[in-house]
Amino acid sequence: EAQVTQNPRYLITVTGKKLTVTCSQNMNHEYMSWYRQDPGLGLRQIYYSMNVEVTDKGDVPEGYKVSRKEKRNFPLILESPSPNQTSLYFCASSADRRGVSYGYTFGSGTRLTVV
Amino acid sequence: DAKTTQPTSMDCAEGRAANLPCNHSTISGNEYVYWYRQIHSQGPQYIIHGLKNNETNEMASLIITEDRKSSTLILPHATLRDTAVYYCIVRHNQGGKLIFGQGTELSVKP
Repeated sequence: EAQVTQNPRYLITVTGKKLTVTCSQNMNHEYMSWYRQDPGLGLRQIYYSMNVEVTDKGDVPEGYKVSRKEKRNFPLILESPSPNQTSLYFCASSADRRGVSYGYTFGSGTRLTVV
Repeated sequence: DAKTTQPTSMDCAEGRAANLPCNHSTISGNEYVYWYRQIHSQGPQYIIHGLKNNETNEMASLIITEDRKSSTLILPHATLRDTAVYYCIVRHNQGGKLIFGQGTELSVKP
């Protein structure tokens, strides 16, 4: 089944303790992205990647890092989490070739709480 | 990317057609109209997209006006499981970014 898999689904952590949220897709998609969703603010893009070793900042990149060493994986790294990073996180991927539009496939989400 | 305007909420009776409008008056010629929906706290789900022609798939139909300044997503026979927030998004065909607005909260009632 074509899907985007995020892990973990739920995570409670303490301020300052580094964590990684993994994202993997099995569709050979070039484009991958991370979003966070907060009440009243909607979905906002954190980082995106057009292909392996190509990443760029979205609208709210502060406090996050990403890497794209393989096409299928796009982990989100919080080096020193803070309570304002408590949120619902989604990873997405798309075939996205220049000049041709495709839909995104989203993961099921990771609910992160930083205390 | 052009901005979209949608009603905050709508109701629909089960079994009836749900017609969700979207205004995108500043859309440019190479921007697509996308529709996604999100069922409570799940990942957004792609529904359909189009450039200027009307489109139909197994989930819905998309009607885009001739001037492309507005569109309507049609769920032909709404069910309770179609209760969700529906997002209309305009996106350039050269870029990957999706910008989500506040969407329309559709409630399908028995």
